[in-house]
Amino acid sequence: GQSLEQPSEVTAVEGAIVQINCTYQTSGFYGLSWYQQHDGGAPTFLSYNGLDGLEETGRFSSFLSRSDSYGYLLLQELQMKDSASYFCGLDTGRRALTFGSGTRLQVQP
Amino acid sequence: DGGITQSPKYLFRKEGQNVTLSCEQNLNHDAMYWYRQDPGQGLRLIYYSQIVNDFQKGDIAEGYSVSREKKESFPLTVTSAQKNPTAFYLCASTRDGVKKTGELFFGEGSRLTVL
Repeated sequence: GQSLEQPSEVTAVEGAIVQINCTYQTSGFYGLSWYQQHDGGAPTFLSYNGLDGLEETGRFSSFLSRSDSYGYLLLQELQMKDSASYFCGLDTGRRALTFGSGTRLQVQP
Repeated sequence: DGGITQSPKYLFRKEGQNVTLSCEQNLNHDAMYWYRQDPGQGLRLIYYSQIVNDFQKGDIAEGYSVSREKKESFPLTVTSAQKNPTAFYLCASTRDGVKKTGELFFGEGSRLTVL
């Protein structure tokens, strides 16, 4: 099987930088995705890493180390609207994503 | 506009009743998925389908059934065999599976409450 671990909650202040980690265990690996979900809403795609290294998309970046079975999402210049839950999702090759339990980010003024 | 439509948004059901949640997409995507989300929890995969007339069980398929008779439609039936059906149900789709992009497009969800 496969499993993913994320911190349950992270708190940061507006304008700061925050890193949300995701460690995983799996027998097969194709890629790691990141999603944002506001309360009561639908998850929206943020980023994908199929290879080691950093992917940058505006204020958001995602990093992957396949040898360490580890990835993270980096959010810069935090804004109040970034308060949401963030999920990492693992593609093990079965053509569907397995998600972690999510990290709730609280951005404070 | 292209997108995924789930209905109903809210649904109440008595114990012992089957209910069917609708999911329709006009994105011309091949793959469709159903996830369940409980309060404060992640998304768990129920069923998924890569092509018409074919689908696979996910991690928590017991008590659920699906069909994929048309490319644009992937309804989910929550049967009376599902012991704890109260949850938020999310439908998603992608063009050819998540292998190359890891990107799923989600609907707005259906919130089912069993009374």
